[in-house]
Amino acid sequence: DGGITQSPKYLFRKEGQNVTLSCEQNLNHDAMYWYRQDPGQGLRLIYYSQIVNDFQKGDIAEGYSVSREKKESFPLTVTSAQKNPTAFYLCASSITSGRTGELFFGEGSRLTVL
Amino acid sequence: SQQGEEDPQALSIQEGENATMNCSYKTSINNLQWYRQNSGRGLVHLILIRSNEREKHSGRLRVTLDTSKKSSSLLITASRAADTASYFCATAASGGSYIPTFGRGTSLIVHP
Repeated sequence: DGGITQSPKYLFRKEGQNVTLSCEQNLNHDAMYWYRQDPGQGLRLIYYSQIVNDFQKGDIAEGYSVSREKKESFPLTVTSAQKNPTAFYLCASSITSGRTGELFFGEGSRLTVL
Repeated sequence: SQQGEEDPQALSIQEGENATMNCSYKTSINNLQWYRQNSGRGLVHLILIRSNEREKHSGRLRVTLDTSKKSSSLLITASRAADTASYFCATAASGGSYIPTFGRGTSLIVHP
């Protein structure tokens, strides 16, 4: 089945540790996105990539890093510089970041900092 | 920056009733989309309406768009307990990167 796979679903991290969240898609989509969701805050854009080997900062990129070495993969690293990383992270993709706009989401990864 | 804002924040209705949610936004848009999220899950796309469209239907869903008022509404008719979820509007600004930006959502509870 075509779709987006995020892993792990749940992740616990000690303060000061970097963690990497995986996002893989087999939809052959060009664009991929990372959003953060906090209670009552809706979704906020962290990073997005419109093409392989290129990515752009979103509204809340500080403390995060990404790579886009392959079309199907867009991992997100939450670094120790992110001051409040406990949140629900959602990865999405779209055919292009052009006028179509419809996003396909993964099931999310919940990160808890202990 | 968050463009769309949903209203109300929470809505509680009985099965069989209609549910109406509203979304307001600030700048010109290329399109507006509605998504649904069940608790702890990813978002699922429901419907997309373009800036030159005024109304769109999909099953029990009806979406309207009023660009002069910069607002949209999502109507779910004959609601079911399974419609219980959060609903988000997302706007893609015109003239920009078309990256959808999301509001805070409306939490809908449908009581059986």
